[in-house]
Amino acid sequence: DVKVTQSSRYLVKRTGEKVFLECVQDMDHENMFWYRQDPGLGLRLIYFSYDVKMKEKGDIPEGYSVSREKKERFSLILESASTNQTSMYLCASREGQMIHNYGYTFGSGTRLTVV
Amino acid sequence: QKEVEQDPGPLSVPEGAIVSLNCTYSNSAFQYFMWYRQYSRKGPELLMYTYSSGNKEDGRFTAQVDKSSKYISLFIRDSQPSDSATYLCAMSASSSNTGKLIFGQGTTLQVKP
Repeated sequence: DVKVTQSSRYLVKRTGEKVFLECVQDMDHENMFWYRQDPGLGLRLIYFSYDVKMKEKGDIPEGYSVSREKKERFSLILESASTNQTSMYLCASREGQMIHNYGYTFGSGTRLTVV
Repeated sequence: QKEVEQDPGPLSVPEGAIVSLNCTYSNSAFQYFMWYRQYSRKGPELLMYTYSSGNKEDGRFTAQVDKSSKYISLFIRDSQPSDSATYLCAMSASSSNTGKLIFGQGTTLQVKP
């Protein structure tokens, strides 16, 4: 089974801190994604990457950046954490084109609280 | 208006009931449709997928797509307490590498023994 591993299940950070959320997948998937999940809003795409060193903005990229230096690792960076970034963050990966593989494989999520 | 609308519930049913979960959407270009199941404190997992219109059945689960009405459904027969979870619909217009999935808000289902 594909595994997507997020380094932390729970994080508490202070306003203004720089925060790194790490995600590693073990099946050589090309595509990786970062979502945040909030009650009543569902999953919203922050950034995605379809190749090493490639990145594309999603629907809500403001306040975030990403890094993909290796194929298996996709990091989400909160440059200066704010309380409105308190959320559940989900990383996902997918192999190739959707026509061949519809499904994303998600990690278990990181619940980030910014105080 | 959101591209994908899903009633958040919560929906509570007795064990053995037939459950109907629904999503509506506004983008007529969507052609890939998925249902994800998310247990508490876990990430979503793919449950069903369909391409274009029609029905797909997998055990107790049936996914339906009606593109003319821009409406998709997931039916669960003989529901079990283990089906208690949040169900998310998701859809995409593109099959390319950069095709994005758009998710509904999720419906929380509780199946009572």
